[in-house]
Amino acid sequence: NAGVTQTPKFQVLKTGQSMTLQCAQDMNHNSMYWYRQDPGMGLRLIYYSASEGTTDKGEVPNGYNVSRLNKREFSLRLESAAPSQTSVYFCASSRRQVGEAFFGQGTRLTVV
Amino acid sequence: QQPVQSPQAVILREGEDAVINCSSSKALYSVHWYRQKHGEAPVFLMILLKGGEQKGHEKISASFNEKKQQSSLYLTASQLSYSGTYFCGTEIGSGSEKLVFGKGTKLTVNP
Repeated sequence: NAGVTQTPKFQVLKTGQSMTLQCAQDMNHNSMYWYRQDPGMGLRLIYYSASEGTTDKGEVPNGYNVSRLNKREFSLRLESAAPSQTSVYFCASSRRQVGEAFFGQGTRLTVV
Repeated sequence: QQPVQSPQAVILREGEDAVINCSSSKALYSVHWYRQKHGEAPVFLMILLKGGEQKGHEKISASFNEKKQQSSLYLTASQLSYSGTYFCGTEIGSGSEKLVFGKGTKLTVNP
């Protein structure tokens, strides 16, 4: 019962470096999401994918790109990391047509 | 676009009740409620669809008034295990699949 798996769990980057956060789900869900969580800001939607082959911007997409590689995997890429991107990133998935969202355990990213 | 939650924080003694509110400036298709404990991922509590329904989960229930674009989460006879941050999530439009969360309400239940 893996559910939603995120890698890595922790990462420290230098300003300007790039990296990709990986997310995979084994529940055959159509919808997948990337959120960032900062103190006092709640969960803010970065990008989402309603189905394989489609992606849409959320509330805070600047500085990020995503790829829905297949139905299982949805990756988030930081091309040139900035200190403002220091955050905890959560990936989530849900079945289509209003299903409960299942969250991964999060990636704690620090950009120095 | 984020729904607005109130209050920001609540402190209760075990056995007391609490209400957390969630409102949106846009028409809502559904409202989700999640609880997150410190250092963990958010965990689903319930979904309410438009139609003014109420749902329950143990001693936690919720209502959704689509006309007022509001939802409320009711925690009855709170337990220590209810402590955490509660988030409401909203979907705007049927089939949009765009789930946006509020800033959260931190609930602390003391013995």
